Amino acid sequence: GAVVSQHPSRVICKSGTSVKIECRSLDFQATTMFWYRQFPKQSLMLMATSNEGSKATYEQGVEKDKFLINHASLTLSTLTVTSAHPEDSSFYICSASIAGTSGIWSPETQYFGPGTRLLVL
Amino acid sequence: KQEVTQIPAALSVPEGENLVLNCSFTDSAIYNLQWFRQDPGKGLTSLLLIQSSQREQTSGRLNASLDKSSGRSTLYIAASQPGDSATYLCAVGLSQGGSEKLVFGKGTKLTVNP
Repeated sequence: GAVVSQHPSRVICKSGTSVKIECRSLDFQATTMFWYRQFPKQSLMLMATSNEGSKATYEQGVEKDKFLINHASLTLSTLTVTSAHPEDSSFYICSASIAGTSGIWSPETQYFGPGTRLLVL
Repeated sequence: KQEVTQIPAALSVPEGENLVLNCSFTDSAIYNLQWFRQDPGKGLTSLLLIQSSQREQTSGRLNASLDKSSGRSTLYIAASQPGDSATYLCAVGLSQGGSEKLVFGKGTKLTVNP
């Protein structure tokens, strides 16, 4: 249980184009989804937190107009990198927090997707 | 600002050895602490989660301890195997506006040699 998927797993795009990454909770409803970015040999850095039906909360230094987040349902959040540049090349990982409690699952626990590798040429 | 440091950055051991990975954090006001495993180019697998009121958690060959007052946690791996080779990430959970924010360390890259 508590499976999170991401699509695509890998994407290569030209500079100036926009790229959309999907994050889905497959077997649970997620009231909150998180988007992280990881540069090589660096730690995961939280970019933004999104709650279903409301605007995302962005971390300091993350441009909200460049990284558009939509959390339209309890099972889907999307991250769109607009006008991508080579410096946006990174590993993007989403996570989801479960709604309410169920058995051993905790609302504080984040379940992570497999990540999306973005390369901007 | 919470900062998480992991030492060592990389570790190479022969199969069968017991080993300890270290994690330290600057602010003791944490909600919980987690240890994750990350394989190359992959997402994260949660290994152990310790609530702030707990001192340790065990799962199989893994044991994690937490000393909140000193800002330290250790991950002990017993009888290491080549399949344990991965990057191990420590993350502290901060309660923020009803949701949890995780602050990660840079990880320890572990290589277990057959």
